[in-house]
Amino acid sequence: EIVLTQSPGTLSLSPGERATLSCRASQSVSSSYLAWYQQKPGQAPRLLINGASGRGTGIPDRFSGSGSGTDFTLTISRLEPEDFAVYFCQQFGSSPLTFGGGTKVE
Amino acid sequence: QVQLYESGPRLVKPSEILSLTCTVSGYSITSGYFWGWVRQPPGKGLEWIGTIYHSGSTYYSPSLKSRVTISVDTSQNEFSLQLNSVTAADTAVYSCARQDRTVTAGYWYFDLWGRGTLVTVSS
Repeated sequence: EIVLTQSPGTLSLSPGERATLSCRASQSVSSSYLAWYQQKPGQAPRLLINGASGRGTGIPDRFSGSGSGTDFTLTISRLEPEDFAVYFCQQFGSSPLTFGGGTKVE
Repeated sequence: QVQLYESGPRLVKPSEILSLTCTVSGYSITSGYFWGWVRQPPGKGLEWIGTIYHSGSTYYSPSLKSRVTISVDTSQNEFSLQLNSVTAADTAVYSCARQDRTVTAGYWYFDLWGRGTLVTVSS
């Protein structure tokens, strides 16, 4: 199975700053089939990016995904107060579906 | 507005069966998409359990396949999870979700999630 490793574990930033989150796969993820999610305490996760670069419904364009092969990045261009949360990646290029351990943006 | 809601016992005894139901509102399961279950043990990462289509076709994680059954009840617009022979290691937040895939993908991402429910395995 593909193991996804996210870094850093915690990212300490201020509103208005740029956030760069990494997701590294143990083997190549087919055709960039990688998704990103946001989760806040007590809430259901929200889909941000599907397929490495496509945004989910209603997701603002300050969120962007990039990468291919084994290295993927989620970028938040300018952090808004509501963006402080946990972010995790997921690959859907092969079974079993697997998730990264998450990055907390505080 | 589409919503998913997990229900079922919050406490299960070791060796017994964990059963959860996901009720979908605002969207008919038979209209499309796939439907799945994910869990997260305390302090650990997310784990995919399995996926079902409204036709009844199922796809399971190899690590849980021998103990898992996912079924669908289209008349009630819900789908269910059964996990047999549970141990303390099965204690987790269990979430149901709607799954979709890109045009060329063979598998799915999760485009809508329930809030999840903590199930504890303990005597």
